[in-house]
Amino acid sequence: DIQMTQSPSSLSASVGDRVSITCRASQSISRYLNWYQQKPGKAPKLLIYAASSLQSGVPSRFSGSGSGTDFTLTISSLQPEDFATYYCQQTYTTPRTFGGGTKVEIK
Amino acid sequence: HLQLQESGPGLVKPSETLSLTCTVSGGSISSSSYYWDWIRQPPGKGLEWIGSIYYSGSTYYNPSLKSRVTISVDTSKNQFSLKLSSVTAADTAVYYCARELLEWPRNFDYWGQGTLVTVSS
Repeated sequence: DIQMTQSPSSLSASVGDRVSITCRASQSISRYLNWYQQKPGKAPKLLIYAASSLQSGVPSRFSGSGSGTDFTLTISSLQPEDFATYYCQQTYTTPRTFGGGTKVEIK
Repeated sequence: HLQLQESGPGLVKPSETLSLTCTVSGGSISSSSYYWDWIRQPPGKGLEWIGSIYYSGSTYYNPSLKSRVTISVDTSKNQFSLKLSSVTAADTAVYYCARELLEWPRNFDYWGQGTLVTVSS
């Protein structure tokens, strides 16, 4: 299985801050990397696919980068509705695997 | 607008079989462009992919669960189903169904709201 490692596991930030979350794959996954946002009691929501493509309807303050084994999700200016848990996921091969999640909390 | 809805018992006894159905509306499960997946999330923990099915019936399972999992599809009802046998408390989780794009970039673009299944006697 491909292991996906996210860091940090949690962070505290203020509204307006620039926030970055890192995801590392245990082997190369090309650009088969997706990012999801999950709020409490809700299903995950697709934010970024193919490492850097913004899903329709997602604000442009979200961006993704990387290829191979190292990927980053960046929120350019954190908004109150962005406080949530973020997961990366590889779809390069089966089994599909997710990172452990990064909880973004209010400072 | 595509919608997925999970249904099934919220309480299952240990050693029994967990059975859930995902009903797809607003689109056809027989589309050649998608897999249909099951994912679960234990309370307070991360996401685990269980497996996927194509409308033709081809399946892929997570090796960690493969011996206990069966995913099936009923195209006439626009539904797909999950059976997980010999459950234990470790199988307590919110179970989600989702749509996965078959080809590049293979993302999960639509999800059900999730259903909590508790394993307890």
